Amino acid sequence: QVTLKESGPVLVKPTETLTLTCTVSGFSLSNARMAVNWIRQPPGKALEWLAHIFSNDEKSYSTSLKSRLTISKDTSKSQVVLTMINMDPVDTATYYCARITILEGGMDVWGQGTTVTVSS
Amino acid sequence: SYELTQPPSVSVSPGQTASITCSGDKLGDKYACWYQQKPGQSPVLVIYQDRKRPSGIPERFSGSNSGNTATLTISGTQAVDEADYYCQAWDSIVVFGGGTKLTVL
Repeated sequence: QVTLKESGPVLVKPTETLTLTCTVSGFSLSNARMAVNWIRQPPGKALEWLAHIFSNDEKSYSTSLKSRLTISKDTSKSQVVLTMINMDPVDTATYYCARITILEGGMDVWGQGTTVTVSS
Repeated sequence: SYELTQPPSVSVSPGQTASITCSGDKLGDKYACWYQQKPGQSPVLVIYQDRKRPSGIPERFSGSNSGNTATLTISGTQAVDEADYYCQAWDSIVVFGGGTKLTVL
């Protein structure tokens, strides 16, 4: 069974750095047919793609957030980590990680999401 | 940057056909997929590669993609289909549409 699970702080202060971890099971981060994405959703708003990372360590970022994001992976730990610097209250959202199969182009398995609130 | 545009809301009567559109420049040249999201839940993939259904997705869900528009069609819409629907494409980066709230009246 393929699962992804997000973890990280529930509350961060403005200007702080957010670090989120996605722990995957049921597939390997070295699988060349798959990549792991981060997506967020502010309360009552639409999904917003943030970044993804492939098995060969190739990375892509949202154009609007590129300067604030870093994605990395630890294949041995089956973890994908997203850091976002300089957090602001507008970054309050549920953050999801999801697997995408490269040939099919769809995110077929999603984590349950983790809610992050940015407030002083 | 690439953008996908969806209508904010669509209403349909039970048993009727619902169509949700997703527009983007030369979208037909890319693969489109669709997600269903119910309140408090993670999104679920319902269509990938324009028209394919993942295992477990009912046959009443179908998709098409041509020109600048991808369409999600739900035939014989049921109350359980009431949800937000998002299209997604992969240009140089991944892009989501703004979402469509489907109301089954």
